[in-house]
Amino acid sequence: DIQMTQSPPSLSASVGDRVTITCRASQVIHNYLAWYQQKPGEVPKLLISAASILESGVPSRFSGSGYGTDFSLTISGLQPEDVATYYCQKYNVDHFTFGPGTKVDLK
Amino acid sequence: ELQLVESGGGLVKPGESLRLSCAASGFIFRRYSMNWVRQAPGKGLEWVTAMSGSGTETYYADSVKGRFSIFRDNSKESLYLQMDSLRVEDTAIYYCAKGDEDFVRLIDFWGQGILVTVSS
Repeated sequence: DIQMTQSPPSLSASVGDRVTITCRASQVIHNYLAWYQQKPGEVPKLLISAASILESGVPSRFSGSGYGTDFSLTISGLQPEDVATYYCQKYNVDHFTFGPGTKVDLK
Repeated sequence: ELQLVESGGGLVKPGESLRLSCAASGFIFRRYSMNWVRQAPGKGLEWVTAMSGSGTETYYADSVKGRFSIFRDNSKESLYLQMDSLRVEDTAIYYCAKGDEDFVRLIDFWGQGILVTVSS
């Protein structure tokens, strides 16, 4: 099975900072990679599909990149409402595994 | 308005069974794949199982294969999860989640979740 890892497990940043989270697949998954945001006490929300396609309504400060095995989610100018745990998920074959998550909070 | 409402959770003993239900509304249910995803208390998301809109494809995580069964009734716009031989480690919030198309791919909408507790 393909394993998904994320780094860092957690980070603290200031409002306005540029934040980057990485996600790595143990095998090539092309661009079959999604990013989800889960705010405290809420259900997850889809942010990005196909590694880099921003979902409708998602602020443009969020962006995704990568292909193959290495991916990243960037928040260009962290806002207080971005405090959340972020998960990547692969969806190319029969096990739709999530990464372990990256918790983002404010410094 | 899209809605996914889970029901059937609760407290059971190890080895017992439980069936979760998910009532869908606000979209053409038969056209979309559906998933169950769980989250143990204070932990990350774990994809559990998924089924295509037509019901012809099903997939299971290794951790539940052979114990859990997903099925759907498109006439009732409902999704189900039959959970047998439950273990303590199955304790989690279980989310019903809608796929973005007929084939199983990514998830674009989540229910509020329901708690399943397995404890003696």
